[in-house]
Amino acid sequence: DAKTTQPPSMDCAEGRAANLPCNHSTISGNEYVYWYRQIHSQGPQYIIHGLKNNETNEMASLIITEDRKSSTLILPHATLRDTAVYYCIVRRYSGGGADGLTFGKGTHLIIQP
Amino acid sequence: NAGVTQTPKFRVLKTGQSMTLLCAQDMNHEYMYWYRQDPGMGLRLIHYSVGEGTTAKGEVPDGYNVSRLKKQNFLLGLESAAPSQTSVYFCASSYSKAGLGETQYFGPGTRLLVL
Repeated sequence: DAKTTQPPSMDCAEGRAANLPCNHSTISGNEYVYWYRQIHSQGPQYIIHGLKNNETNEMASLIITEDRKSSTLILPHATLRDTAVYYCIVRRYSGGGADGLTFGKGTHLIIQP
Repeated sequence: NAGVTQTPKFRVLKTGQSMTLLCAQDMNHEYMYWYRQDPGMGLRLIHYSVGEGTTAKGEVPDGYNVSRLKKQNFLLGLESAAPSQTSVYFCASSYSKAGLGETQYFGPGTRLLVL
């Protein structure tokens, strides 16, 4: 699986959009970009994933550049409850040969009141 | 729909004692995983299962055993606990479908302290 690079920490004001960047310059054509987050002392929570196209769900939007070498997770209206460590993970579809996710250090997003 | 549940939430063991952590999922997922997370670190895979009756080793399997007798349950056993196994243990389950990728859903964790 391709390696990812994320800033260690970011601040965002409550109510504003939080934009979390991720670089994955060695991504392969069959690798998906996943985002998870971990709120203090809780299990990781799936947010969103994509392959080539931009994606949106009830939690966030994922913008993937045309060359797929980087992506941005957007939380449109951040709240205090969005304070967490956000992990960008690149992973190929294993087609049934399941293995674990590789969690790096992620970005610690702090939402300021 | 409870998702992924873990039992117990917290446990204190003495060195050499044994215990079993239980993970249950109600999403009919084929794949299940056990991770551990040490302070300030990311999750590391201990063992995983691709279906009922099958298990495989992950990154850090030593000192642990697992069983998947039922599709919905995945058990993690510590035969002789050591202080180095003090950690937070997370269970996860996932589907795997071509074109949709694979998404893992995590339980709330079990905090284990080995004295």
